[in-house]
Amino acid sequence: EVQLVESGGGLVQPGRSLRLSCVVSGFRFDDYAMHWVRQAPGKGLEWVSGINWNSESVGYADSVKGRFTISRDNAENSLSLQMNSLRPDDTALYYCTKGHRASSSYYNYCAMDVWGQGTTVIVSS
Amino acid sequence: DIQMTQSPSSLSASVGDRVTITCRASQSISFYLNWYQQKPGKTPKLLVHSAHSLQSGVPSRFSGSGSGTDFTLTISSLQPEDFATYYCQQSYSFGITFGQGTRLEIK
Repeated sequence: EVQLVESGGGLVQPGRSLRLSCVVSGFRFDDYAMHWVRQAPGKGLEWVSGINWNSESVGYADSVKGRFTISRDNAENSLSLQMNSLRPDDTALYYCTKGHRASSSYYNYCAMDVWGQGTTVIVSS
Repeated sequence: DIQMTQSPSSLSASVGDRVTITCRASQSISFYLNWYQQKPGKTPKLLVHSAHSLQSGVPSRFSGSGSGTDFTLTISSLQPEDFATYYCQQSYSFGITFGQGTRLEIK
C-alpha cells in the first residue's frame, strides 16, 4: 500500500522556523517527483514546492521563495520542507504529495496521484 | 505565474444531472491540466490527469477535455458521493497553480 506520512507541524511564533518531514512507503521513492501543497483553513489548495526524483529540478511558489527549502533523501525514503521566517499567512494544513509520472527530469509536467493526510502548521504569537 | 480560473465557483445540482465545470488558463498550458476532488475533511483525490486521462479507479462518469487554455470536467450522471469541491491544476509551468475550486452542492 502506498503511504505518505507527514510530521513536524505545530504552533510556532512569527519569524521562527519549522521543518516538516514526509516518510513514504509502498512505491519506489527515488523514481518520482514529490511536492508540498498547503491548504489554509477554509481555503483552496496552494502548491508550495516541488522536487524531481534526483533533486536536480526544484521549484517554489512565489509566496515562499527564499524562505522555504525542499529536499529529499532517497536512501531514507523521505521528503522535507525547511520553513524559515514563518508568517501568519503560512498557517495551513501541509500535504506531502507524489508525482504520478516516473523518472521525469522536471518536478512539474505531472499530476499528484497520492496525498498524505497532512500536518498542521499554525503561525501565531 | 499562470492563473487558473474555474467557473462556476459553486453549483447546485441533483442526483442524475449532467454537470460541467470549466477551467481557463491565463496562457496556453498544452494538455498539462489535472482535476481533483476534495470532500469535506478529506484529502484531495486525483480524478483526471493530462486533461483527459482518467486516473485508475475513477468512475467512468467522470471525463475531462480541452487543451491550450480551456478545459472542462464533466460528470455525466451525478451520484450522491460526487458532491464535493473540485479543483483544476496546471502542471505546465514551474510555478504550479490551482484553480480556486468549484463547490458542487445538492439541490
